[in-house]
Formats: sequence, structure tokens, C-alpha cells
Amino acid sequence: GAGVSQSPSNKVTEKGKDVELRCDPISGHTALYWYRQSLGQGLEFLIYFQGNSAPDKSGLPSDRFSAERTGGSVSTLTIQRTQQEDSAVYLCASSLARNRDDTEAFFGQGTRLTVV
Amino acid sequence: GENVEQHPSTLSVQEGDSAVIKCTYSDSASNYFPWYKQELGKGPQLIIDIRSNVGEKKDQRIAVTLNKTAKHFSLHITETQPEDSAVYFCAARDQAGTALIFGKGTTLSVSS
Repeated sequence: GAGVSQSPSNKVTEKGKDVELRCDPISGHTALYWYRQSLGQGLEFLIYFQGNSAPDKSGLPSDRFSAERTGGSVSTLTIQRTQQEDSAVYLCASSLARNRDDTEAFFGQGTRLTVV
Repeated sequence: GENVEQHPSTLSVQEGDSAVIKCTYSDSASNYFPWYKQELGKGPQLIIDIRSNVGEKKDQRIAVTLNKTAKHFSLHITETQPEDSAVYFCAARDQAGTALIFGKGTTLSVSS
């Protein structure tokens, strides 16, 4: 597809279980971002990838959260031992970022995570 | 790190009126300021952006102004229509490829 693709679109999990959220960025986009959006809230930055490396992990809320990116393309956000406060929409975005002018970030539809 | 404040959190206008949303940022190194529109159940979509080397940019009914000295920027929507109803987010970034930091959003309601 032409846009950023996220899967699953919805995920319901039991408290304490691990979950994996997937993001397929736009082909050729070197920068990839994960954000969390809680109900009625803004977009909370989690982590940023440039290629396969993550120069900025400052937004990860705890050590239960981790992310990786392989082949400069697909990224997976993993939440271990999920808690109810992890319930939110997790958004992924990508951008070309070849130079200072390649700044537009394109967002996916998000994964709605519900921890019960 | 960067901090972006956005207000108002909600805004209700009559169709045809103008709407203005304001944001302030903390990092004087920030040089890219996009605005996103998010409709229910969808991801945010870029509607307009501005770089620090210009003070104003227009695209049909939408305009953005930037005051670098005061570190604030604003979104102006003229002749509002019901389909403009959505959540609008401002953001700031200091260089290409680093993370966009978002404001908390403004819910705009346009009534006909």
C-alpha cells in the first residue's frame, strides 16, 4: 500500500500479557516514530528510529516498553506485562528525513490497545 | 527537551466564522512547525506546515503564522465549514529526522 500500515487495528489483551504492535512505514522512509494517544489526550512521543537505530528512546514510559526496527523498514513495539494504564491508541509515523526539508511525517491509522 | 502548549482545548464556531488556535514552544532551536488534523478513528493528517525562515503561510482557507521571537505560532481557518470539525494538533521539531513534539490538541466544532 501507499501509506503507513499498522496491525492489528484493535487488540484486547489480559493484564499481565505481552503484546506486539507492528508498523509498516512508507517504502523508502528512513525515519519512523511511535506515539501513544490516550483517550482525549495529545500524542505522546515514545521512540524514534533513523534506519535501524533508535537515537531517541526518551519517551518510552518504562522498561516494559521496547521497540525494534529491522531492515530499515518494519518496526515492532512490544509491551511486556501489560497494565490497564497501557490502554491507548498507538500511532506510528514515517518520514523521508534525507535532509532538513524531508520533514513531513505520515501517520498510520493506529492500533487501539485495550488491557482488561 | 521541547515542550509545546496548545490552546484552547475546545473551540465552537458557527459555519462561516473564523477559528484560531494558538501554540507556544520552548526550544528556540525548533525550526519546523506542522499542523495536523485528526478525524474520529483516523490517524493525524498534515494540513499545513511552516519553517522558521518565514512568518506566514497560506493554503486556501488555512493559514499559519509564526513569531520566532515570542516562540508562538497560530493556525487560522477562515469561512469554516462543518467538515472542518475535528481535533487539530500543533507540533514542533528542531531538525529534520528528530521527533515531532505535539500539543494536546484542540477539538473544533463547526455548527451549521
